[in-house]
Amino acid sequence: QVQLVESGGGVVQPGRSLRLSCVGSGFTFSYYAMHWVRQAPGKGLEWVAVISYDEGKEYYADSVKGRFTIARDNFKNTLFLQMSSLRAEDTAIYYCAKDSQTGIVGVTHWGQGTLVTVSS
Amino acid sequence: NFMLTQPHSVSGSPGKTITISCTRSSGNVGSNYVQWYQQRPGSSPLTLIYEDNRRPSGVPDRFSGSIDTSSNSASLTISGLKTEDEADYYCQSHDNDNHVILGGGTKLTVL
Repeated sequence: QVQLVESGGGVVQPGRSLRLSCVGSGFTFSYYAMHWVRQAPGKGLEWVAVISYDEGKEYYADSVKGRFTIARDNFKNTLFLQMSSLRAEDTAIYYCAKDSQTGIVGVTHWGQGTLVTVSS
Repeated sequence: NFMLTQPHSVSGSPGKTITISCTRSSGNVGSNYVQWYQQRPGSSPLTLIYEDNRRPSGVPDRFSGSIDTSSNSASLTISGLKTEDEADYYCQSHDNDNHVILGGGTKLTVL
């Protein structure tokens, strides 16, 4: 069965950087676009970024563009989110998610999430 | 960009059928696939419907999705309501710039 396991969350000071990872298993990782979606405490879901199956295309929410970078290693079945210039409003649970296709359509499977807290 | 508008809350009794709407503000709802996600309190989201009306394996057929181009909206229908269906539900699509658009979420209460 599809499994997505995130790691790398924690407490970080404003202005610092953090890198999240997500290992996928139970499916052919290199065939699918992959997303990061976040949820601030008590708020709804917010899409963050997506990368196409072959790393050819990346797209970002306006709230993180220029600060966050999504990447993937298809040999290691791993998705990354490099977050820099972190702000208090970036505090959230970050979910790794698998798309239904090679391009950008929508999520079929979700990870359990990793909590990022931006605080001094 | 367009917006996806959902009712803030809906409610229903066990065994009944409810429908949650998701209205696209501009452009044709049929132009880009719609997905539906369920999130129970304290849990990660679960995909109920993808590509308008397809169910991932393991999702009961009590959950169904549809598109209505006349109202430019998508709908999630849950039949045979159970108390365990009490959760937040989100619709999602994407625009032609490949940005993912999420609805604001609907809280389902099973009375």
